[in-house]
Amino acid sequence: NAGVTQTPKFQVLKTGQSMTLQCAQDMNHNSMYWYRQDPGMGLRLIYYSASEGTTDKGEVPNGYNVSRLNKREFSLRLESAAPSQTSVYFCASRAQTGANTGELFFGEGSRLTVL
Amino acid sequence: QQQVKQSPQSLIVQKGGISIINCAYENTAFDYFPWYQQFPGKGPALLIAIRPDVSEKKEGRFTISFNKSAKQFSLHIMDSQPGDSATYFCAASLFYSSASKIIFGSGTRLSIRP
Repeated sequence: NAGVTQTPKFQVLKTGQSMTLQCAQDMNHNSMYWYRQDPGMGLRLIYYSASEGTTDKGEVPNGYNVSRLNKREFSLRLESAAPSQTSVYFCASRAQTGANTGELFFGEGSRLTVL
Repeated sequence: QQQVKQSPQSLIVQKGGISIINCAYENTAFDYFPWYQQFPGKGPALLIAIRPDVSEKKEGRFTISFNKSAKQFSLHIMDSQPGDSATYFCAASLFYSSASKIIFGSGTRLSIRP
């Protein structure tokens, strides 16, 4: 049982380059989330998706786009990377039924450096 | 009205002592208050959570105290152990809504001294 899988785990970009972070979950969850983690800033919500076909902005959406490709996959795209986007990115999915209702399940993170 | 404020930013506690981390929220619609634990290089994982129909929830050495009128909740770790050294995040959201944002505090780096 893989849970939430993120790729790549590490990436170095030059300013202005684009890239997509991939996320997939195998728990049949409807809701999925993208967070970034920076020292002293905690986890800040970038975008989330309540269900397949819907996406909504979080606290820090500028500079990012997302796609909810299907129920399993939720990707995060940086169209023109900036040094301020250097961070660790976490994808998560949320249980809505059963004993784990409300719980977020996180991937192991993608460490992105923009030079 | 979406903020969750967490303190302290870092905490050092002697082995066997009590670790206390505090959070305050603004949005009175929130009805689910979890704490997540994160070890270096890993994603956060749920530690314990509370809903506002109770003022306290205990699971082993971990207790959440909840004060609805003050819009505050705290995590208490009794008999703190070196293995508890990690970063802790509080969060707040709507329990039943799949469309709910889940807002996190800024995190507390806890170190337990042997």
